[in-house]
Amino acid sequence: QVQLVESGGGVVQPGRSLRLSCAASGFTFSSYGMHWVRQAPGKGLEWVAVISYDGSNKYYADSVKGRFTISRDNSKNTLYLQMNSLRAEDTAVYYCAKGLEQWLVRGAYYFDYWGQGTLVTVSS
Amino acid sequence: DIQMTQSPSSVSASVGDRVTITCRASQGISSWLAWYQQKPGKAPKLLIYAASSLQSGVPSRFSGSGSGTDFTLTISSLQPEDFATYYCQQANSFPPFTFGPGTKVDIK
Repeated sequence: QVQLVESGGGVVQPGRSLRLSCAASGFTFSSYGMHWVRQAPGKGLEWVAVISYDGSNKYYADSVKGRFTISRDNSKNTLYLQMNSLRAEDTAVYYCAKGLEQWLVRGAYYFDYWGQGTLVTVSS
Repeated sequence: DIQMTQSPSSVSASVGDRVTITCRASQGISSWLAWYQQKPGKAPKLLIYAASSLQSGVPSRFSGSGSGTDFTLTISSLQPEDFATYYCQQANSFPPFTFGPGTKVDIK
């Protein structure tokens, strides 16, 4: 069965960096686009970034562009989110999510499997 | 960016009730819309995609309709496990993929 397991969250000071990981199993990881979605405490869902199946295409929300970098290692079935220059407003649970269908099919932009989330708290 | 709105923001209902949630996009998105259910402390779950396609394993009491800018999620007969928050999400254009603010369904 499909499993997505995030790790790397924690408490970090403003301006510092953190790298999240998402270990995937149960599907052909290298065939699917992958997303990061976050949820601030008590708030709604905010899409953060997407990466194509081969890592050649990456897109970001304006709120993180230039500070966050999404990447993947298909040999390790792992997705990453490098977060630099963190701000208090980046405090959230970060979920990785799998695209419903393979890249270049519009269904790739729906999220059919989600990890359990990892909490990032940015505070001094 | 495409903005998504939902109404109502919350609804109180009883088991067995029919519940309808509306989602509106700030511009036409054809049928590129999904609905998710989220329970407290849990990850969201995909219910409906492409406006009306039921995700595998989701009970048939959930249905979606609409196209263009106006969409609805209907729960035909509310069950105890359906009390949750529901989000719509547009997949028409990106970045960004945008979600609605959510509709909380709670017990009357």
